[in-house]
Amino acid sequence: DIQMTQSPSPLSASVGDRVTITCQASQDISKYLNWYQQRPGKAPKLLIYDASNLETGVPSRFSGSGSGTDFTFTISSLQPEDVATYYCQHYDNLPRFTFGPGTKVDIK
Amino acid sequence: EVQLVQSGAEVKEPGESLKISCKGSGYIFTNYWIAWVRQMPGKGLEWMGVIYPDDSNTLYSPSFQGHVTISADKSISTAYLHWSSLKASDTAIYYCARESRRGLGMGYWGQGTLVTVSS
Repeated sequence: DIQMTQSPSPLSASVGDRVTITCQASQDISKYLNWYQQRPGKAPKLLIYDASNLETGVPSRFSGSGSGTDFTFTISSLQPEDVATYYCQHYDNLPRFTFGPGTKVDIK
Repeated sequence: EVQLVQSGAEVKEPGESLKISCKGSGYIFTNYWIAWVRQMPGKGLEWMGVIYPDDSNTLYSPSFQGHVTISADKSISTAYLHWSSLKASDTAIYYCARESRRGLGMGYWGQGTLVTVSS
């Protein structure tokens, strides 16, 4: 089974800071990786699909990159509404899914 | 507008059965898979399984295989998650989610159903 890890967790940053979260897969997963945001008390929301593609309607301050085993999620300028837990998710073509443990982001 | 509306919160005792639902609207229900995701109190997201509503073909996570049953009734655009015998450890929020239009992400989510199992 493929395992997903994320770092750091938690993460505390100031408004306007550049925030980077990393996600690592236990084996090569090509670009089969998505990123989700879950605000407190809300359902998750898809932000990035296929490692680097921005979902429709998602602000451009969010971005993703990487392939193989190492992936990065970036918020270019942290906003108060970005307080949330962020999850990476691997998928295959069946589809089967594996979520990372999550990274909780809050404001300093 | 695509919407997934889930059934309301449930409080059950250990050993009881339960079926929760997820009704899709605003799209052709049989064209996209529906997944179920568990979130235990204060914990992360866990994929439970997925169903293709057109033929009810299902795929389960090994962690949930045999513990729950996923089904769908395409005539009423509704997917279900069923337990035959609940345990206290089933206490969680359960989300349904639909396949995205692009990529293989979970692009649309229900509001979640809180299931509490307690004696």
